[in-house]
Amino acid sequence: LAKTTQPISMDSYEGQEVNITCSHNNIATNDYITWYQQFPSQGPRFIIQGYKTKVTNEVASLFIPADRKSSTLSLPRVSLSDTAVYYCLVGPNRDDKIIFGKGTRLHILP
Amino acid sequence: DGGITQSPKYLFRKEGQNVTLSCEQNLNHDAMYWYRQDPGQGLRLIYYSQIVNDFQKGDIAEGYSVSREKKESFPLTVTSAQKNPTAFYLCASSISGTSYEQYFGPGTRLTVT
Repeated sequence: LAKTTQPISMDSYEGQEVNITCSHNNIATNDYITWYQQFPSQGPRFIIQGYKTKVTNEVASLFIPADRKSSTLSLPRVSLSDTAVYYCLVGPNRDDKIIFGKGTRLHILP
Repeated sequence: DGGITQSPKYLFRKEGQNVTLSCEQNLNHDAMYWYRQDPGQGLRLIYYSQIVNDFQKGDIAEGYSVSREKKESFPLTVTSAQKNPTAFYLCASSISGTSYEQYFGPGTRLTVT
């Protein structure tokens, strides 16, 4: 079971680029890396998923180095509304369960 | 509109009463999940179902029960055996049990006093 480690919290300012790094040293060959965003009192929302190199969508970019032991979620030019908890997940797991850790609390300041 | 609905948004119960939380999806997804979230914590998996009439325990199934009689519905019953039932409950679905793209409902905040 690939365990993930990410910072508990981060602060940044409006208009900045924010990078949140997740470590997953024992990632398996068939594992994907997935990021979710959760606002207070709401369910998490899928942001992006990748396997290697770089993936970009309208919300974020995901950078994955060649060894795949870490990944970085990049949020360009954040705004106050990007204040949320961001979860990094790695899998699929052998028993088909998705494991959400505590995530990273991102606080955007004006 | 396709999506997942949970009702009610807020629920209050007295200790010792069973309570059932509703979860319905019209996404035609095979897999459905129930999570519990406590303040400042991540999500913990209670039960999940990969197909109709089948479900498996998650990490914290004690004190909870589920059924999956229809593809669209996955109700969760919080029984009186659950020692600390007050929490935020989230239901999710995915196209299959191995998909990591889960769609979440708005959640039900249960308070037991």
